[in-house]
Amino acid sequence: NAGVTQTPKFQVLKTGQSMTLQCAQDMNHEYMSWYRQDPGMGLRLIHYSVGAGITDQGEVPNGYNVSRSTTEDFPLRLLSAAPSQTSVYFCASMRGDTQYFGPGTRLTVL
Amino acid sequence: DAKTTQPPSMDCAEGRAANLPCNHSTISGNEYVYWYRQIHSQGPQYIIHGLKNNETNEMASLIITEDRKSSTLILPHATLRDTAVYYCIVSTDKLIFGTGTRLQVFP
Repeated sequence: NAGVTQTPKFQVLKTGQSMTLQCAQDMNHEYMSWYRQDPGMGLRLIHYSVGAGITDQGEVPNGYNVSRSTTEDFPLRLLSAAPSQTSVYFCASMRGDTQYFGPGTRLTVL
Repeated sequence: DAKTTQPPSMDCAEGRAANLPCNHSTISGNEYVYWYRQIHSQGPQYIIHGLKNNETNEMASLIITEDRKSSTLILPHATLRDTAVYYCIVSTDKLIFGTGTRLQVFP
């Protein structure tokens, strides 16, 4: 199993641009989530999904959209990037009581 | 807001036990205590979790007080590779991370 994969690893955007961060897992986990981590801070939950077709907001959902059309994929969309969205983004999937995190996407918005 | 309180940093000598405390005085009856760690800039890694009883696995031991208002994560023989930020989380489903404890293991 590849586990949780995220692409791209690094991305630089200009203010106002849109993009999609990709997340995929091959463990057939129902629960998936997106976090952001700002420098020196803990992780903050953006959105999560308990299964295909079901998504919900976390602590900091503004400026982000998600969809869950398949069990495997959980993309995160930035509609109009802002410098405040400069962060490291982690995707995770969960089996039972254990979350498995991807390696992260480092996003810089200029 | 995170429902746990952890010291911001701790040091531990290599080979000694690292005892990381966590206060969760408002924990409810059905909330579990989870511990994750994050090494450098990698994604967090699951360590252990428990509800009431003490738990042990190949990585660590978790001691939960009888009133469940606090817990301690024990790394029995810390190594340099255990240097990381350790997060204590109480939850029934979603994981809400606080700022954690930065553990520095020194030679």
